[in-house]
Amino acid sequence: DIQMTQSPSSLSASVGDRVTITCRASQDISSYLNWYQQKPGKAPKILIYAASNLQSGVPSRFSGSGSGTEFTLTISSLQPEDFATYYCQQSFLTPRLTFGGGTKVEIK
Amino acid sequence: EVQLVESGGGLVHPGGSLRLSCGASNFTFSSYAMSWVRQAPGKGLEWVSAFSGSGGTTYYADSVKGRFTISRDNSKNTLFLQMNSLRAEDTAVYYCARHRGSYSGTLDYWGQGTLVTVSS
Repeated sequence: DIQMTQSPSSLSASVGDRVTITCRASQDISSYLNWYQQKPGKAPKILIYAASNLQSGVPSRFSGSGSGTEFTLTISSLQPEDFATYYCQQSFLTPRLTFGGGTKVEIK
Repeated sequence: EVQLVESGGGLVHPGGSLRLSCGASNFTFSSYAMSWVRQAPGKGLEWVSAFSGSGGTTYYADSVKGRFTISRDNSKNTLFLQMNSLRAEDTAVYYCARHRGSYSGTLDYWGQGTLVTVSS
């Protein structure tokens, strides 16, 4: 199994801040990495697929980078609607998917 | 717009059974792989099971293998999850989700989820 580790598990930030979340895979997964956003009481929503591809309709302030075992999700200028929990997910072993533990982005 | 609607959740005693359904609309259901993903209260996401878009291959997480069975009825655009021998640790919101394509690991549409509570 591939383990996905996110850091930090939570962070506090202000509107307008640049936010970076890291995801590490326990083995090389090339670019088979997706990012999701989940708000309380709602289903997850795909933001980034294949490490760096922005899903249609997702604001351009979201970006993803990385390959191999280390990946990052960056929000260039945090907006009020971005306060949520973010999950990375490997798709290298599709359809046996594995998610990271999540990063909760809270208001400072 | 793609829609996925789960149903069938509820309260069940340990050792009991439950069958979840996921109705799909506004896309060619038979062409897509589908998964169930669960989320225990206050916890992260856990992939549970998948059904391929073609060929009828099924996959399970080790935590549910031998207890859960995924199936689909393409004529009714419905995905199912039969859950037997339920345990307290199966308590979670269960989401069905569509894979972007037959061989994609990206879940591009999710249902609203259905809550399963296993408790005596």
